[in-house]
Amino acid sequence: ELKVEQNPLFLSMQEGKNYTIYCNYSTTSDRLYWYRQDPGKSLESLFVLLSNGAVKQEGRLMASLDTKARLSTLHITAAVHDLSATYFCAVESGAGSYQLTFGKGTKLSVIP
Amino acid sequence: GAGVSQTPSNKVTEKGKYVELRCDPISGHTALYWYRQSLGQGPEFLIYFQGTGAADDSGLPNDRFFAVRPEGSVSTLKIQRTERGDSAVYLCASSIGTGATTGELFFGEGSRLTVL
Repeated sequence: ELKVEQNPLFLSMQEGKNYTIYCNYSTTSDRLYWYRQDPGKSLESLFVLLSNGAVKQEGRLMASLDTKARLSTLHITAAVHDLSATYFCAVESGAGSYQLTFGKGTKLSVIP
Repeated sequence: GAGVSQTPSNKVTEKGKYVELRCDPISGHTALYWYRQSLGQGPEFLIYFQGTGAADDSGLPNDRFFAVRPEGSVSTLKIQRTERGDSAVYLCASSIGTGATTGELFFGEGSRLTVL
């Protein structure tokens, strides 16, 4: 059974600081996704990581994937209040699989 | 439509009642998924449709849950004899699903079900 663990689950940080959220998963996977969820809203796709060593950046967020270590990171640079949300990683269980297994999410609060 | 649409956005019902939740996927998306998100948790897979057929319903918790997609577009998730533990946000997602690769999922805003 595929397990996905995120840490930390809660993160409070000041504006302007940097931090990294970690996502570990238990079995081999070809794809990893990062989603953002605002309170009461749905999940917004941030990144799709398709191969070992993949790195994607959008604004102050950068995601990377190490399939050998079964680890993905979401790095936040110079945080701003607008980044406050819950961030989920989700792992596809195999090639062409359609099931995503989600982590519990990291609730990020950026304090002005 | 422009995105995945779900109705109702909120549903409050009493224990033992029957509930239907509707999902209208992005036009042209052949793959449709239902997930359930409990408070403070990540979404959990329920069922996946490719076209009209349920390709995988292994995530449905028990036989009180059933979903249909009769014309390969709109889907309805049906819950019989609701229990308090069914309270959650039910998320629908769709993707361009062709062959073995279904692609990125786009989620709707969910239907929040509260069973009293």
